[in-house]
Amino acid sequence: SQQGEEDPQALSIQEGENATMNCSYKTSINNLQWYRQNSGRGLVHLILIRSNEREKHSGRLRVTLDTSKKSSSLLITASRAADTASYFCATDATGNTGKLIFGQGTTLQVKP
Amino acid sequence: DGGITQSPKYLFRKEGQNVTLSCEQNLNHDAMYWYRQDPGQGLRLIYYSQIVNDFQKGDIAEGYSVSREKKESFPLTVTSAQKNPTAFYLCASSPPHGVGETQYFGPGTRLLVL
Repeated sequence: SQQGEEDPQALSIQEGENATMNCSYKTSINNLQWYRQNSGRGLVHLILIRSNEREKHSGRLRVTLDTSKKSSSLLITASRAADTASYFCATDATGNTGKLIFGQGTTLQVKP
Repeated sequence: DGGITQSPKYLFRKEGQNVTLSCEQNLNHDAMYWYRQDPGQGLRLIYYSQIVNDFQKGDIAEGYSVSREKKESFPLTVTSAQKNPTAFYLCASSPPHGVGETQYFGPGTRLLVL
């Protein structure tokens, strides 16, 4: 069952630019998380936003959540070549205790 | 040095063979998970366990089996019934009372069919 869908599938920007990726989901959630995956590696947790929160910041990351539209966005400001990776949203659906459902991911390339 | 480890990094399976992927964590996490990732795709849940000696099927459990005899370990067996096993397998764990909370991932095992 696919809960999260991400947009765009791929994004290519120059170093220093901002990168925005979006995630839409279908059901009510307890929280939404963003993860990063470098090629051929495991996922690394970036940020978690709960259903009663609208915005959260962590360093150069800014996440927003709009539960009325069932969508979230991840903004990476002042991107660096090291930010090149795939980014996934994951939702903890209400009543779906114990499971996260991952989106297909956005592949970000930051050119030096 | 706490973390979650997976072995081997690469695994080759012959036709009709069962293979077991190892996942160990020393984070004292109650919950553990197995995911499958196909090229260019997201993660799909195979099995998960919220406590020792208990586990539940995920979305794509057919052709796989697991055990959870110890808190630290959650091995995944890919059986001969899994007809398309070539994929990247990721193990994860989450902390006590961490249902639906942050998951910590291992480095993954890439399974290839000979």
